Amino acid sequence: DIQMTQSPSSLSASVGDRVSISCRASQSISSYLNWYQQKPGKAPKLLIFVASSLQSGVPSRFSGSGSGTDFTLTISSLQPEDFATYYCQQTYSNMFTFGGGTKVEIK
Amino acid sequence: QVQLVQSGAEVQKPGASVKVSCKVSGYTFTDYYMHWVRQAPGQGLEWMGWINPNSGGTKYAQKFQDWVTMTRDTSITTAYMELNRLRSDDTAVYYCARAKDFLRLGRPAFDYWGQGTLVTVSS
Repeated sequence: DIQMTQSPSSLSASVGDRVSISCRASQSISSYLNWYQQKPGKAPKLLIFVASSLQSGVPSRFSGSGSGTDFTLTISSLQPEDFATYYCQQTYSNMFTFGGGTKVEIK
Repeated sequence: QVQLVQSGAEVQKPGASVKVSCKVSGYTFTDYYMHWVRQAPGQGLEWMGWINPNSGGTKYAQKFQDWVTMTRDTSITTAYMELNRLRSDDTAVYYCARAKDFLRLGRPAFDYWGQGTLVTVSS
């Protein structure tokens, strides 16, 4: 199975900060990488699909980049509602594995 | 609007089975694969498998191959996930999620999710 590794596992940031989260695949997955946001007690929400395509309704401060094995989710200016846990997911193989998550906390 | 509404919380004993339902509305049920994802308390997301509501075909994560069954009833637009031989470490929130292939590449993303069903396994 393809393993997905996110870093860091958690980070502290302030409102207005630029935040980047990394996701690395154990083998090349082309651009077949999605990003989700999850808040406590809620289902995950799709942010980015196929590495860099923004889901409808998601603010433009969220962006995704990368291909092959290395991917990045960037929040250009962190807002109070962005404090959450973020997950990457590969869909290259037919086993759609998730990364371990990155928790973004208030500094 | 698209809705995925899951069945309520369950408490089961070790060794028992549980069947979680996911009732959909607002779109054509057979047009989108349905996936199941679980999340143990305080842990990350774990993909379990999918069902093609049109054909009934399934694909399960290797870990769950021998003890999960995904089915559907198209007449009531409902997908089901049954987990057998429950253990305490199966305690988790179980989600159904619709898979949309945005770019028609055969590589979907999960654009709508159910609210989650907490399954507690305890003697």
